[in-house]
Amino acid sequence: GENVEQHPSTLSVQEGDSAVIKCTYSDSASNYFPWYKQELGKRPQLIIDIRSNVGEKKDQRIAVTLNKTAKHFSLHITETQPEDSAVYFCAATNYGQNFVFGPGTRLSVLP
Amino acid sequence: IAGITQAPTSQILAAGRRMTLRCTQDMRHNAMYWYRQDLGLGLRLIHYSNTAGTTGKGEVPDGYSVSRANTDDFPLTLASAVPSQTSVYFCASSEAQGNYGYTFGSGTRLTVV
Repeated sequence: GENVEQHPSTLSVQEGDSAVIKCTYSDSASNYFPWYKQELGKRPQLIIDIRSNVGEKKDQRIAVTLNKTAKHFSLHITETQPEDSAVYFCAATNYGQNFVFGPGTRLSVLP
Repeated sequence: IAGITQAPTSQILAAGRRMTLRCTQDMRHNAMYWYRQDLGLGLRLIHYSNTAGTTGKGEVPDGYSVSRANTDDFPLTLASAVPSQTSVYFCASSEAQGNYGYTFGSGTRLTVV
């Protein structure tokens, strides 16, 4: 089955700097890769996703890149703000299967 | 109801007791899921349902059961709670199984003592 690894487990950046979180997956048939943000005590919320026919997708300060050959995808947050502090989860799925989530990255944006 | 609703918000339960966590969605999503999230760990799938009338086992199904009598409701039952089931439980739904983002409920914090 699918296995998703996520690095780093914790990340601290200064406000205004960029943050990058990387995930690798094992199933080459996986074709949908969402990212979720979970603030303390809150539910996970979808912030961006990418499908396997696209290499990059942007939404304001966040972007996701996908390298199908290497089987990894990354979340990029630019101009970080304190409200970006949260736990971020990546996930992967092959159409018709359930999501496999990565273990999460705790991002702290220091003012 | 707007989106997906879970009840109760939190519960303290004596070991050995039976408990049902409720989950209701009004988005007419076909697929629904139950995850548990333990401190320091990610989300682990307990059970899922791709459509009303069907259910399946996830990564950690032991000690839990589900039913899907209709599209909107997906209750999770702990037949005889044990302390290792202390966790935060999230219900989620998606338009269909697979390539669609999940919408999560607000979670149920369960403590088994």
